[in-house]
Amino acid sequence: AQSVTQLDSQVPVFEEAPVELRCNYSSSVSVYLFWYVQYPNQGLQLLLKYLSGSTLVKGINGFEAEFNKSQTSFHLRKPSVHISDTAEYFCAVSFSYNTDKLIFGTGTRLQVFP
Amino acid sequence: DVKVTQSSRYLVKRTGEKVFLECVQDMDHENMFWYRQDPGLGLRLIYFSYDVKMKEKGDIPEGYSVSREKKERFSLILESASTNQTSMYLCASSFGEGARLSLAQHFGDGTRLSIL
Repeated sequence: AQSVTQLDSQVPVFEEAPVELRCNYSSSVSVYLFWYVQYPNQGLQLLLKYLSGSTLVKGINGFEAEFNKSQTSFHLRKPSVHISDTAEYFCAVSFSYNTDKLIFGTGTRLQVFP
Repeated sequence: DVKVTQSSRYLVKRTGEKVFLECVQDMDHENMFWYRQDPGLGLRLIYFSYDVKMKEKGDIPEGYSVSREKKERFSLILESASTNQTSMYLCASSFGEGARLSLAQHFGDGTRLSIL
């Protein structure tokens, strides 16, 4: 079955520290991968996406993610976080047989402390 | 910039009422989606539509219906609201499958619905 797993429900980190939010997927077909961010009381905003090409993808707000096909992962990273990065982060996958639909992970709450 | 607008940010209704949640997008997207978001469960797809008057059930369609009479508008209907439908509801839109340069869904700000 196709699925998306975000292993960490919460990630606390101090300001200016690096952070990695993990995302793994299960699929027997080609995938397209996305990271979304949700700030409090707002909808989801696209951070970055991988459709094809270079496996290292850069997004907005200094975030980047690397597609690793052999490990079926798409982890999100930022070298130095700010207080304003405190939000919920969702990994999502679209499968090649039905690219109209996204399957979302359960989300990771990133909390940045001063 | 894509704009997806949900008619209400907060809504309070009573058990048994018929509830309408409205969503409008301004980018001529073919696809529109309704999700509900609950803590620890992420986003779950209720219904989606890939064209006017077309709809498909998502993962949790029970207790809901939808309407898409115009391309830009997608309505979610709770036929008889129940307390377990208290949740955050998110609308999204995207280009159809042919637009492979995109595929990303664009979201509204959500409607926080409370059923009392």
